[in-house]
Amino acid sequence: AQSVTQPDIHITVSEGASLELRCNYSYGATPYLFWYVQSPGQGLQLLLKYFSGDTLVQGIKGFEAEFKRSQSSFNLRKPSVHWSDAAEYFCAVGAGAAGNKLTFGGGTRVLVKP
Amino acid sequence: DTAVSQTPKYLVTQMGNDKSIKCEQNLGHDTMYWYKQDSKKFLKIMFSYNNKELIINETVPNRFSPKSPDKAHLNLHINSLELGDSAVYFCASSQGGRWGYTFGSGTRLTVV
Repeated sequence: AQSVTQPDIHITVSEGASLELRCNYSYGATPYLFWYVQSPGQGLQLLLKYFSGDTLVQGIKGFEAEFKRSQSSFNLRKPSVHWSDAAEYFCAVGAGAAGNKLTFGGGTRVLVKP
Repeated sequence: DTAVSQTPKYLVTQMGNDKSIKCEQNLGHDTMYWYKQDSKKFLKIMFSYNNKELIINETVPNRFSPKSPDKAHLNLHINSLELGDSAVYFCASSQGGRWGYTFGSGTRLTVV
C-alpha cells in the first residue's frame, strides 16, 4: 500500500524568504505525485503534479517541485513567499490501476511572518 | 460556475439523526470521491465512484452510504450520526488519476 510522509508539521518563514516543504512517499511502482494547498475554511487546490518526464515541475503561484526517485521524495519549493502563502500544504501519491486513489500526507502548516 | 459544488457548507445536528450531503460536478469527469478530513487535518478516502459504479470502498461504517444517480452527482447519506462523525467531508472528481482531483469546498459536519 502507498503512503506519504510530510515530516514537518509546522514551518514558519519570513515574507520574502524561500520555502521548502518535504514529502517522502512509499509506492511500489512509478507514482503520480501531487501537491495541494488548503487555505483556512477552503477546499484543496492543486498546485502541481508529476507523473512522467522532467523531474522538476512548475506549478501555480510560483511553486515548483522536484521528483527524486532515489530518495522517494517530491519536495515543494518557492523562492520568495508572500503573506498569502500561509496555508496548509498536502503532498499526495496516486495509486490504483488508473492512479485514481490519492493517499495524502498529514500536511504541513506554513505560517508567514511579516 | 463552481466546478465541484457541495451542499450544505455547514451541518449541525444531534446524535442519532440521519443526514445527507450532496455533491455535483460540471467538469464532465468520470470519477467522483468522498474524503473525510478529521480535526488534525488528516484526509482519508471513503468512497469512489466511476460512471455510477462503486470502485473504492474503504473501511467505513455501514452507516455511511454513498449514492451516485449519474456520473455528475455523488451524494453521501449518514445514518445514526455519532459524535465521532464530526469532520469536514470533501467531495472531489477526476478524469483519470494522473491529472489529480478537483475538490469541492467541503461540508463541515458537527454532531452534538
